[in-house]
Amino acid sequence: KAGVTQTPRYLIKTRGQQVTLSCSPISGHRSVSWYQQTPGQGLQFLFEYFSETQRNKGNFPGRFSGRQFSNSRSEMNVSTLELGDSALYLCASSPDLSRGGELFFGEGSRLTVL
Amino acid sequence: QKEVEQNSGPLSVPEGAIASLNCTYSDRGSQSFFWYRQYSGKSPELIMFIYSNGDKEDGRFTAQLNKASQYVSLLIRDSQPSDSATYLCAVKRGNNRLAFGKGNQVVVIP
Repeated sequence: KAGVTQTPRYLIKTRGQQVTLSCSPISGHRSVSWYQQTPGQGLQFLFEYFSETQRNKGNFPGRFSGRQFSNSRSEMNVSTLELGDSALYLCASSPDLSRGGELFFGEGSRLTVL
Repeated sequence: QKEVEQNSGPLSVPEGAIASLNCTYSDRGSQSFFWYRQYSGKSPELIMFIYSNGDKEDGRFTAQLNKASQYVSLLIRDSQPSDSATYLCAVKRGNNRLAFGKGNQVVVIP
């Protein structure tokens, strides 16, 4: 079974730009979560989607948004990039909401904002 | 108070010894508890989960949960060099959000 696939793996942007990251969950997994990982803050929850609906949202500004498609694939978008948005963005899938802590992570998208 | 705290610094253990990691959490409504392992440059992978008070064993790993004291621990028996990694404690809070601790680095010395 293929794992969680994230694209792109690495990207460099400048302040003020926007970025879209993509995530394909494990086949059959309907829940997708996004996390930001930085050395200082660790893993921080961004949002969780299930059946194309956002079920939960972390404490991030409105510049961070996401969506999920009918095939469970998900995208997240960050607009008006700031230097502090430089981080590893991890997508994780789980079979359903009841097992929402049993996450399978992708390799991540490493974003550098200059 | 942080949602999930892992206070210990890097833990060095000799090969074959027991590594003990602790984690405390603030939300008494938390129901589910998880341990993830993250190798350097890699993404986290789930190694244990525990939902009820007491111990849960899986191979060389044992998770221990005490909801009254709000802590969860992970024991790694017969530590191997391949266990050298950062271990992340995660707690599913009452609001269904999963909160992670900042992790504990374990170094197993051959």
